Amino acid sequence: AQRVTQPEKLLSVFKGAPVELKCNYSYSGSPELFWYVQYSRQRLQLLLRHISRESIKGFTADLNKGETSFHLKKPFAQEEDSAMYYCALSGDQAGTALIFGKGTTLSVSS
Amino acid sequence: DGGITQSPKYLFRKEGQNVTLSCEQNLNHDAMYWYRQDPGQGLRLIYYSQIVNDFQKGDIAEGYSVSREKKESFPLTVTSAQKNPTAFYLCASSNGHLNTEAFFGQGTRLTVV
Repeated sequence: AQRVTQPEKLLSVFKGAPVELKCNYSYSGSPELFWYVQYSRQRLQLLLRHISRESIKGFTADLNKGETSFHLKKPFAQEEDSAMYYCALSGDQAGTALIFGKGTTLSVSS
Repeated sequence: DGGITQSPKYLFRKEGQNVTLSCEQNLNHDAMYWYRQDPGQGLRLIYYSQIVNDFQKGDIAEGYSVSREKKESFPLTVTSAQKNPTAFYLCASSNGHLNTEAFFGQGTRLTVV
């Protein structure tokens, strides 16, 4: 069965500190992994996807198949990064739904 | 203005009544999804549809029903059989391809009174 685990409900850091939001997954095939973000009073939106190997707003995430992880990292947190972050997984066949973790609230204070 | 629209934003229902939540998209997306968002639970999949006139149950489909008669519309009915219907409901759509981005509506908050 597909499963996404985000072990931290809340992560509080100071501005300028490094951030790592953890995500582990369970999937028998080759998964597609995503990070979605929900800022206050805004819609849930895509932050980045593993296939793109891109850096968005300074965030990166590397898929580690050996550890079945897809942790989200940023070297220097900003106050505007404060939001709810969801890790999500879809299967390796078209037509499979997106499954989300329980989310981690990131709070960045000055 | 392209996108995905949910209505209404707030909905109140008396116990024992069915209620239908609307979700419309003009993105020409084949796939549409319904999620329930509860504090500490994340997003849980209720139903999804990859094509018109077809849909599949998600993890928590009991007490809910859907229809997909038109590509742009995917209404969700919360029936009286749903034991704990008070929640925030999110609709999403995507083109259904691998690695595709899902676009979300602004949500409907349902409260049973």
